[in-house]
Formats: sequence, structure tokens, C-alpha cells
Amino acid sequence: AQRVTQPEKLLSVFKGAPVELKCNYSYSGSPELFWYVQYSRQRLQLLLRHISRESIKGFTADLNKGETSFHLKKPFAQEEDSAMYYCALSLHNYGQNFVFGPGTRLSVLP
Amino acid sequence: DGGITQSPKYLFRKEGQNVTLSCEQNLNHDAMYWYRQDPGQGLRLIYYSQIVNDFQKGDIAEGYSVSREKKESFPLTVTSAQKNPTAFYLCASSSSGTAVGGQYFGPGTRLTVT
Repeated sequence: AQRVTQPEKLLSVFKGAPVELKCNYSYSGSPELFWYVQYSRQRLQLLLRHISRESIKGFTADLNKGETSFHLKKPFAQEEDSAMYYCALSLHNYGQNFVFGPGTRLSVLP
Repeated sequence: DGGITQSPKYLFRKEGQNVTLSCEQNLNHDAMYWYRQDPGQGLRLIYYSQIVNDFQKGDIAEGYSVSREKKESFPLTVTSAQKNPTAFYLCASSSSGTAVGGQYFGPGTRLTVT
């Protein structure tokens, strides 16, 4: 079965420190992976997708097919990065289209 | 103003009553989705629809029903058969079923059943 795991429920870092939110997936096909973010009192929104190889708000994520991982990284965390982060896997079939991880709450301390 | 809207924001119902949650989008997206968000469990897919007049069950469809009569609208009915209906419900849409561009989410509806 397709799965997305995020091992940390809560991750606390100090402002200016590097941050890495872990995401691992299991999928036999060619994966499409996304990171979504939910700031306090805001709706869930797309942060970045692996096919774009983009950097959004200083965050990057690299798909590692060998390790089946898609970890989200930022070299210097900011307080405004505090939010709930979800990793998601898009499936290429007519069954379930998306699988979301349980989420990691990032808290950036001053 | 383009986007995806859900109403109402908060909904209270007595046990045994059916309740319908609204989801509307003006993004011209083909695909729409309903998720349930519970603390510590992330988002779980209830139903999704890739085209008008067609929809598919997700992981936790039991006790829920949907319709897709118009491209813009994808209402979710929480029936009395749903054993634990109190939750936060999120609607989403995407321009294609595989959502290469990602999904757009509504603000959510918090349903409380007592």
C-alpha cells in the first residue's frame, strides 16, 4: 500500500538554525511529491512540488528515490516558518489520488 | 476573486441528523476532493471527483455521500451512519486528476455533532 510517513510530530528549532522536516514514502510507481503548509488560522496551501525543483520561502526539497525520501530543508529558520507541514504523494491511477503524511508541527523559537 | 470556498465555517448538529457541507470553486478545475482532518492523523480522503457526474470513494467513505452535478460544486453529506462525524472537513480542487500542479484547499468546515 502507498504510504507517507513523517516521523516527527513536533520539531522545535531556534531562529537562524537549519531545519529539516523528514518525509518518507512507499510507492511502486513513479512518485510525484509535494509539501503543503498550514499557518495558524490560514488554509492549507501548496509550498513546493518536486517536479519544479523550486525554492519557496527559502525551502527546498529533493526527491531521493533510493532512500524513498523527500525531506524539506531550510538553512536558516525564521519565526514566521512556524506552521504545520504535510508531505503528500500523488498517485497516477484512478484510485486514490493523494496520500498525505500525518504532518509535522514546526516551531521556530526566538 | 478566484478560489475555493466552503460554508459554513462552523456547523453544529444533533446526533442522528444528516448534514451537508458546501464546497464551491471558480477556478475551472476538473477535480475536486473531500478530506477529513483529525489531530495527529493528517488528511484522509473521503471522496473525490475527476469529472462532473462521476466520483470515487476514498479511504474513509463510509457514512458519507457526495454529488457532482456541476463542475463548480461538490457538496458532502455526512449521514447519521457516520460513527464519528465530529471533525474538520477540507475541500480541495485541482486542474487535473493527478494534480501535477498541486491542490487548492478551501478554508474548511468544523462540524460538531452532539
